[in-house]
Amino acid sequence: KQEVTQIPAALSVPEGENLVLNCSFTDSAIYNLQWFRQDPGKGLTSLLLIQSSQREQTSGRLNASLDKSSGRSTLYIAASQPGDSATYLCAVINTGGFKTIFGAGTRLFVKA
Amino acid sequence: GAGVSQSPSNKVTEKGKDVELRCDPISGHTALYWYRQSLGQGLEFLIYFQGNSAPDKSGLPSDRFSAERTGGSVSTLTIQRTQQEDSAVYLCASSWRMGGTDTQYFGPGTRLTVL
Repeated sequence: KQEVTQIPAALSVPEGENLVLNCSFTDSAIYNLQWFRQDPGKGLTSLLLIQSSQREQTSGRLNASLDKSSGRSTLYIAASQPGDSATYLCAVINTGGFKTIFGAGTRLFVKA
Repeated sequence: GAGVSQSPSNKVTEKGKDVELRCDPISGHTALYWYRQSLGQGLEFLIYFQGNSAPDKSGLPSDRFSAERTGGSVSTLTIQRTQQEDSAVYLCASSWRMGGTDTQYFGPGTRLTVL
């Protein structure tokens, strides 16, 4: 049974700092992995999707990596800004499956 | 429309009543997902549609929950005989599932409160 864990559960950093959010999963047979952000009271916004055959994806100040063999993904945020404050969620879909399994999220607060 | 829409945005109902939640996916998206997010909890997968068929209903918590999708577009999630533990935000997402590019686009959700 696929399980997704995110560490840390919460993080507070000063503006401008680079930071790394961690996601681990128990079953390496994944179809893809996605990172989302969720703002309070809002739906989810997709940040990056990494296909099973890929190692990383980049968008602006965000970089996500995937290591299937170790069951890990990281989301790197460069030069953090107060507007980055949100909950960041990692999700995987298993190979041949449809069910999306989400981690519990990392709540990020960037202080001005 | 430009994004995924859901209606109603808020629904308050009494225990034992039936409710219907609606999701309008992005035009052309073949895949549609329903999730539930309870207060302080993570997202819980409910059901997945590919076109009008639901190959994975494994997340539906009980037989009081059902969902359908018509015309490969609009989907309705129905909860019969609602219970207080059904109170949550119900989120819908759609995607163009092809070749691993299964980026899911989420709607704003329906907040259901069962009194």
